[in-house]
Amino acid sequence: AQTVTQSQPEMSVQEAETVTLSCTYDTSESDYYLFWYKQPPSRQMILVIRQEAYKQQNATENRFSVNFQKAAKSFSLKISDSQLGDAAMYFCAYRSYSGGSNYKLTFGKGTLLTVNP
Amino acid sequence: DTGVSQDPRHKITKRGQNVTFRCDPISEHNRLYWYRQTLGQGPEFLTYFQNEAQLEKSRLLSDRFSAERPKGSFSTLEIQRTEQGDSAMYLCASSYAGGGLGNEQFFGPGTRLTVL
Repeated sequence: AQTVTQSQPEMSVQEAETVTLSCTYDTSESDYYLFWYKQPPSRQMILVIRQEAYKQQNATENRFSVNFQKAAKSFSLKISDSQLGDAAMYFCAYRSYSGGSNYKLTFGKGTLLTVNP
Repeated sequence: DTGVSQDPRHKITKRGQNVTFRCDPISEHNRLYWYRQTLGQGPEFLTYFQNEAQLEKSRLLSDRFSAERPKGSFSTLEIQRTEQGDSAMYLCASSYAGGGLGNEQFFGPGTRLTVL
C-alpha cells in the first residue's frame, strides 16, 4: 500500500517571501500521479498542482511549482511571492496511474501554512 | 454548475442514532468518492462509485456504513448506530472518467458530523 508523509505539521512565511512544503511517499509502482491540494479554513479542498511521475519536468502553476525527485520519492511544493490568501492546510496526495480500483487518493496528514503580513 | 455540493453541512446527533448525508456531484461526472477526515489528519478513502456501481470499499467502511448512488446521480452515505468515533468531516468528490490528466477530483465542502 502506498503511504504519503508530510513531516512539517506547521509552516509560516512572510508575505511576498518563498516557502517550501515537503512531502515524501512510498510506492512500488512506477507510474502514478502526485498532487498538492489546498484546504482553506472552513472551505472546500481545491487542487493546486499535479505531477505525472513519467514526466521529468517539474510542474508549474503561476506562483506554485514542485520539485519532483522520483528516485528519492520526494515531492515538495514551492510557493513564491506568498500572499495572505495562501494561508491554508496543504495536503500532498498520491494516486495510482492505472485504472480499476486505484482512482482513490492517498493523502498525507497535511501542513498548516500561516502567512504573516 | 457550481461544483460538488453536500448536505447537510453540519450534523449533531446522539450516539446510537442513524444519520444520512447527501452528495450532489458535478453533473457530467460519472465517478464519485467518499472520504473521511478526522481532526489533524488528511482525508481517508471510504468508497468509490462509477456511475451507479460501487466499485471499491475501504476497510474503514464498517457494516454500519452504507453508501448508494441510485441512477448514477447523487449519492447518500448512511451511518447506522453512530458512535463517538464516527465524529469527523465526511468529504465527497467527483471526477469525469477520461477527462483531464489524472482525472482530477473536485471536492465538496464536506459534512461535519458530531456524535455526542
